[in-house]
Amino acid sequence: GAGVSQTPSNKVTEKGKYVELRCDPISGHTALYWYRQSLGQGPEFLIYFQGTGAADDSGLPNDRFFAVRPEGSVSTLKIQRTERGDSAVYLCASSAGTNSRIETQYFGPGTRLLVL
Amino acid sequence: AQSVTQLGSHVSVSEGALVLLRCNYSSSVPPYLFWYVQYPNQGLQLLLKYTTGATLVKGINGFEAEFKKSETSFHLTKPSAHMSDAAEYFCAALTPGGSQGNLIFGKGTKLSVKP
Repeated sequence: GAGVSQTPSNKVTEKGKYVELRCDPISGHTALYWYRQSLGQGPEFLIYFQGTGAADDSGLPNDRFFAVRPEGSVSTLKIQRTERGDSAVYLCASSAGTNSRIETQYFGPGTRLLVL
Repeated sequence: AQSVTQLGSHVSVSEGALVLLRCNYSSSVPPYLFWYVQYPNQGLQLLLKYTTGATLVKGINGFEAEFKKSETSFHLTKPSAHMSDAAEYFCAALTPGGSQGNLIFGKGTKLSVKP
């Protein structure tokens, strides 16, 4: 079956602009996660959804970052007033959502964001 | 706070040689531990994970890892490297009782395999 997909694969924007990054999880997965991976670093947790609600948003760096999942499937990560430091690969993952902390997260290929 | 340290940002081995990638975690409470592999332009793929029980965990592609509480380590090994193993490897930890989503990753180790 299809895995996690993310669009666009690459996004170039100018400082100060608004961007939206989309994640399509594996069908039937109720848990969805966003991570950010800066150059030379491991992925860094941003936010985790269980269904439509954000179960943990402690990783969002500031209020310029926001994510939604209105129907419990597709999620959009929104970044306002982008800064050069936001340049990174944004990863999305999904899992079955059985409320088990040890279930496997399946990752998408990421969206590479470059802020000029 | 939990942290994960991967010793060596780049490891190079010859084809057929032993692969050893090191991972140490910081917490006093043993976390759940994971190894992921990332091939170029692909998403992270789970190799193996340790939750409870047997401390030697076998994963895909011939990899295995051993949880050693006394050393706070979870090193990844493979007896004989293949060219196809060249990729970046990430160790990650999840704190029991913490947020399900909050995987803490190490900085990664890039594995090169020489013919």
